[in-house]
Amino acid sequence: LAKTTQPISMDSYEGQEVNITCSHNNIATNDYITWYQQFPSQGPRFIIQGYKTKVTNEVASLFIPADRKSSTLSLPRVSLSDTAVYYCLVGERGSSGTYKYIFGTGTRLKVLA
Amino acid sequence: EAQVTQNPRYLITVTGKKLTVTCSQNMNHEYMSWYRQDPGLGLRQIYYSMNVEVTDKGDVPEGYKVSRKEKRNFPLILESPSPNQTSLYFCASSLSRRADYNEQFFGPGTRLTVL
Repeated sequence: LAKTTQPISMDSYEGQEVNITCSHNNIATNDYITWYQQFPSQGPRFIIQGYKTKVTNEVASLFIPADRKSSTLSLPRVSLSDTAVYYCLVGERGSSGTYKYIFGTGTRLKVLA
Repeated sequence: EAQVTQNPRYLITVTGKKLTVTCSQNMNHEYMSWYRQDPGLGLRQIYYSMNVEVTDKGDVPEGYKVSRKEKRNFPLILESPSPNQTSLYFCASSLSRRADYNEQFFGPGTRLTVL
């Protein structure tokens, strides 16, 4: 059963780099790791996904070691507007070839001025 | 505008009164899903659908039904709601369910209270 584990909460100051690590010991061989951001009273929003090594886009970087049992979301120079809950997500194959997603409980990031 | 819509956004009902929460997407997405979100428990998948007429249970399917008769619609049905189904519900869709494509688009949420 695929499962993710993340820290419950983190605090940071504006302008700092924030790294949030997720453990996914049972990730399937062909599955990707995905991260989402969620603001209060809104649906989650896709941030980034990766399979191995490093992936970077305009908002974040994702580091995945060779064993793929964990991943780290890196947010450069955070601002107050980055205060949100961040979810690490992996998949799990269901019956008849279907595929379901397993969200963790998320990491609540609070950015302080 | 590409979007996922849910209705109603807020609903207060009583135990046992059947209800349906509608979900519709206009992006021609194959994959659709329902989640519930409860304090301290994060997002949990209720049901999902890989395509029309293909649905499967997520982690917390008890007390819910779904159907996928059309590609764009994926209604969530509570035949006999109970207070433990009080929650915030999200519908989501994704272009496909390939391993390398995990970008889901979420609706605005439906806050359901069952008295």
